[in-house]
Order: sequence, then C-alpha cells, then structure tokens
Amino acid sequence: AQKVTQAQTEISVVEKEDVTLDCVYETRDTTYYLFWYKQPPSGELVFLIRRNSFDEQNEISGRYSWNFQKSTSSFNFTITASQVVDSAVYFCALRSHGNTGKLIFGQGTTLQVKP
Amino acid sequence: DTEVTQTPKHLVMGMTNKKSLKCEQHMGHRAMYWYKQKAKKPPELMFVYSYEKLSINESVPSRFSPECPNSSLLNLHLHALQPEDSALYLCASSQVYDSTGELFFGEGSRLTVL
Repeated sequence: AQKVTQAQTEISVVEKEDVTLDCVYETRDTTYYLFWYKQPPSGELVFLIRRNSFDEQNEISGRYSWNFQKSTSSFNFTITASQVVDSAVYFCALRSHGNTGKLIFGQGTTLQVKP
Repeated sequence: DTEVTQTPKHLVMGMTNKKSLKCEQHMGHRAMYWYKQKAKKPPELMFVYSYEKLSINESVPSRFSPECPNSSLLNLHLHALQPEDSALYLCASSQVYDSTGELFFGEGSRLTVL
C-alpha cells in the first residue's frame, strides 16, 4: 500500500519564525518520487520540489529547504524566516514507478503565518 | 501566472443543468488530468488523458464526462449533478503520463450544485 502522512493538520507561527512541515511516506517500490505542493487561497497547487528515491541530498531554495531521509521514510520541509505570504496549505505527495504515475497526496498541513 | 487555465472560475448550477468546465495548456504537455477537491481535503484523481486518449477513470460516476478535443484542451461535461458534487475541480498537466514528472495545476473551477 502507498500512503503519505502529514501528521500536522494546522500550524500557526509568527512572522520570521522557522517552521518545519513533516511528511512520512509508505511504499514498497524502490523507485519513487516525492513532491511538495503549495496551495494558496487562490486554489492553484504550486509545484515546489521533486525528489527521486535515489537522491537523498538535501535541497535548499532560498528560504525553503527539504530533508529527505529514506531510513525514516520522511521528506520534511522547512521554511526559514517565515513570511505572511507563506500562509497556505502544503501537500506532500508520492508517485511510485510501479504505480503508473498516480499521485498520492497527504492530507495537507495548513500553515498560518501571522504578522 | 499559472500556465494551466481553467474556466469558469466559479459555477453555480442546478441538478438538472448541463454545464462544462474547460482547461487549456500551451506547454506542449501530452498528459492532462482532472482532480476533485473537497474543502480541507487533498485533491482526488478523477481522469487522466494521455496523448488525447483516456487512460484512467477512477470509477467516476457517468454524470461527469471528460473530453480531450486536442492536446491543449480538456473539458469536463457535467449533467444531473448532486449537491455533494460541489467542490473545487482542478485541471493539471504533465509532459507525459509517467511517474517521474511534476504536475502543473490550474487555479480550479469552484462548482456549487444547488
């Protein structure tokens, strides 16, 4: 079975705080791809990052960073110095090589950044 | 600005109406998707078109009828919907239909069925 768990339903922080969004996944496939999407109030899901299962290097893009650890099946997302514009729902998702591309979403984490 | 354009942004319809949602992309993508998203839930896959052919139907009721007239366009025809079908309908596209690539989403069409 394939599953993505985002245990944090809602997080509220004050601007400039760092915040980490957790993502734990389950899959039996050895080749798979992990994604993070941001959904602001406008509704569109915005692609943030893709990681394949063979690349465990952490990635940093501006204030965003991702920590991929196969040993714990986790793909956590950290926002440094959060801003009000970061307020959104964030989805972690999994696509397995053997699943012909179906994107399995977690339940999402709603992040509220207060000024 | 999103490169996947959906119209209309909002739609209110009665249970006996027939309406259509439209989606367009000009990125040369050959896979297009319809997702349904209820409030505070993740998107749920409905249909996948690959090279203008229907590849996946996730057991969606026949009152939803997808159509892919060409590689840039995707329609979702709605007929005899129920109030529980009220949701955000998201269109997405990817270069091809496989497990590797990211999906690009539109802003969605928010549907209310009265």
